[in-house]
Amino acid sequence: NAGVMQNPRHLVRRRGQEARLRCSPMKGHSHVYWYRQLPEEGLKFMVYLQKENIIDESGMPKERFSAEFPKEGPSILRIQQVVRGDSAAYFCASSPRLRGTDTQYFGPGTRLTVL
Amino acid sequence: AQKITQTQPGMFVQEKEAVTLDCTYDTSDQSYGLFWYKQPSSGEMIFLIYQGSYDEQNATEGRYSLNFQKARKSANLVISASQLGDSAMYFCAMRAQGGSEKLVFGKGTKLTVNP
Repeated sequence: NAGVMQNPRHLVRRRGQEARLRCSPMKGHSHVYWYRQLPEEGLKFMVYLQKENIIDESGMPKERFSAEFPKEGPSILRIQQVVRGDSAAYFCASSPRLRGTDTQYFGPGTRLTVL
Repeated sequence: AQKITQTQPGMFVQEKEAVTLDCTYDTSDQSYGLFWYKQPSSGEMIFLIYQGSYDEQNATEGRYSLNFQKARKSANLVISASQLGDSAMYFCAMRAQGGSEKLVFGKGTKLTVNP
């Protein structure tokens, strides 16, 4: 029973390049959350998606960041024209959102370094 | 708005002793959930324990227990019989019922278990 999968685990980009982070939720989970963790900080919510729908993107920066969760395949967090301030750990979590079962299980994270 | 406060940046405990990690929260919601996650140096986020706001009994999971005091708005994590492998960052988080149910995290407590 595989957990939440994220790849790549480490990603290095130069300023101005694009970063694509992938997340495959646990089997049976159709709800995906993305969080960002800056150094020495707790996790901050970015976006919540269900299949083919963005439900809550209140934590997403207005520019350069986008997320999707297509009908088939993993959820993708895309950062265009990365800047040094985007360097962080990005975590994906999934949940079945069943009544009484609402724990979010996290993937191992993707560590993005912008040079 | 919800807020989690963890006032202990670092804690030290001797192996085999018990330790309490503090967490206070602020919310105007009547229904909410409280979580603790462990983040070892390898970086992944590991779910430890969950307490619902309407749960009358304190949650327990093996060596972990949650000391839930609703009137004080506190949800302290108690680790009994500490082990060297418990050395990690510990994050308290809150989730509101309904809506996106995103998690709000505290800044974490770094626990070091000494032999």
